[in-house]
Amino acid sequence: AQRVTQPEKLLSVFKGAPVELKCNYSYSGSPELFWYVQYSRQRLQLLLRHISRESIKGFTADLNKGETSFHLKKPFAQEEDSAMYYCALRSFSGGYNKLIFGAGTRLAVHP
Amino acid sequence: EPEVTQTPSHQVTQMGQEVILRCVPISNHLYFYWYRQILGQKVEFLVSFYNNEISEKSEIFDDQFSVERPDGSNFTLKIRSTKLEDSAMYFCASSEGRGISGETQYFGPGTRLLVL
Repeated sequence: AQRVTQPEKLLSVFKGAPVELKCNYSYSGSPELFWYVQYSRQRLQLLLRHISRESIKGFTADLNKGETSFHLKKPFAQEEDSAMYYCALRSFSGGYNKLIFGAGTRLAVHP
Repeated sequence: EPEVTQTPSHQVTQMGQEVILRCVPISNHLYFYWYRQILGQKVEFLVSFYNNEISEKSEIFDDQFSVERPDGSNFTLKIRSTKLEDSAMYFCASSEGRGISGETQYFGPGTRLLVL
């Protein structure tokens, strides 16, 4: 079964603290994983994708196939990082693709 | 930077009524999607659309739902006879292609549908 699990509904940290948003997946093929972010009253927007191995706004995520995880990390959280974060798995079946989302984790960064 | 747009932002309707949600994908994109998010739940895939036909649909996308690209810019989702459980945020998304690794889907701001 194709599934994305984000075990934490809410992660509350103080400014400057490290952040790790957990994501685990279940997928039989070769996974492609994404992190989307939704700031208050804004649309879902792509934060980063594992295939690019990039760092956006100080966030990184490494695909660990052994642990089937794609955790999102940032060493020093900022207040403007407060948002809803969704981990998503690209299911590429029959030549077309859809995204399977986790339930999301709300990150609250306090001053 | 081009964006996906959706109208209306909010819609309230009576159970049993038809609603049409509208989306304008990014102009050079060829693949279109609808997702929905019931309050407090996950974002769920509904349907993908390419070359004027449905390419994949989920089990949620039953006969009450249909999609259409009536002209060169709009992409619509119609719910023929709304039910209370159709109340959700509906997101439209588009992507340039389907096969390139890391293909990004760009999302619209959503339409919040409330069925009374």
